[in-house]
Order: sequence, then structure tokens, then C-alpha cells
Amino acid sequence: EADIYQTPRYLVIGTGKKITLECSQTMGHDKMYWYQQDPGMELHLIHYSYGVNSTEKGDLSSESTVSRIRTEHFPLTLESARPSHTSQYLCASSEIGGGSDTQYFGPGTRLTVL
Amino acid sequence: AQKITQTQPGMFVQEKEAVTLDCTYDTSDPSYGLFWYKQPSSGEMIFLIYQGSYDQQNATEGRYSLNFQKARKSANLVISASQLGDSAMYFCAMSRFKTGANNLFFGTGTRLTVIP
Repeated sequence: EADIYQTPRYLVIGTGKKITLECSQTMGHDKMYWYQQDPGMELHLIHYSYGVNSTEKGDLSSESTVSRIRTEHFPLTLESARPSHTSQYLCASSEIGGGSDTQYFGPGTRLTVL
Repeated sequence: AQKITQTQPGMFVQEKEAVTLDCTYDTSDPSYGLFWYKQPSSGEMIFLIYQGSYDQQNATEGRYSLNFQKARKSANLVISASQLGDSAMYFCAMSRFKTGANNLFFGTGTRLTVIP
């Protein structure tokens, strides 16, 4: 059973606002990830982290930024939200990060930018 | 480059029957992992089953089994004795066995509907 949390679950916000999506895990996992998923579509990796003070960009280019100051916390920030950022954002974590390592997901944040 | 293909946008199955969801993949890596996730309408991704490319036996987890045919590059999910709660989107995903490159690549998903 995975213990990974995301807040808020739903967010409706106006264009130009700064937002931070929170992600926390209590499993002590070193590796964490952010995926973006448009409705009915596949997930695309936008950011990942090997551990504290480590962040990398994923396969899909994103205007968002991330930070990893604590092992359990991996927030995602959009400095100026736009309608094109409307999507679902899913956070995940894994213990080691090898090819056989299972990623466990949080419940997701559904973001709507008006 | 890695690619996952799920050719069934939607599938229907009668309750208590078995159903197979197709997944084919393409990779030049000799070592990789294959995963299936379930996504209910609430949006979370639930891990179901994992198969490593060097595993000799097909993976099983309860009512889920993975029909792994390496030569054909297919990793189909079989759900036995379908239940109404199995109605969801199902995603096949692949990872690489490579240091620092273990990101998941997802297919486009199959929406399964279980009919009472």
C-alpha cells in the first residue's frame, strides 16, 4: 500500500496566478516523479528527482519547476498559470529507481486554468 | 526509442468472465520492465503487476496475470473473473534497466467496462 499524498485534488485558477502543487510520501523513497496527463490520454514524465537537491527534466517539456529540499516532499510550481496548463498532474515515488522498481502514484491534482 | 502500443481504446466484458487487454512494445534495450496500472474515474494510478524482461515465468497477482511473449514483444494483461469494480482505464508501461534512466513510458490506455 502506497502512502503518497497530493494536494489540492482539484484546483481552478485564473490566468497569471502562481500555483504550487504539493506532493508528499511517507515511504522514505529516494526517487520521485511528476507526470502530466491530459484527459483520456497517456501519462508523460515532466520532472524527476533522485534524492534531496536533485532534480531533472523529463521527456515532456514543461514550464513548471520543482524542488526537493526534503526526501518526503516534491512540490511543483507554475509561476504564471495559463489555460494550456490545464491537465491532471500525478506525483509518484519509487524506492530505488531501477528498471524493476515499481512507481507508486498519488491521487493526482486536476488543474483548470481559466 | 521506447514505444508502447495499446490498440484497444475500449473493451467490454461480462461480469465473471475473463478479459485480455493487449499491449505491444518496442525497445532496443536488452533489459526492461513492463508494468500494468489501473486508473479508475477518480484519477489515481494503481499498480497491478510487473514483468521483467528476463523473468522466465509469467507474472501473476491474484486475478491479474501477464501473458509475456518476448519474441512477439507483447505483454497482455489477463483479468480473470471480472468484477464491476474492474471498470477503469488500464495503462501498460515500460521502463529501462539503465542507471538513471528508469522512467516509465506509457501507452494510450484501454477503457474496460464490465457489464452486469
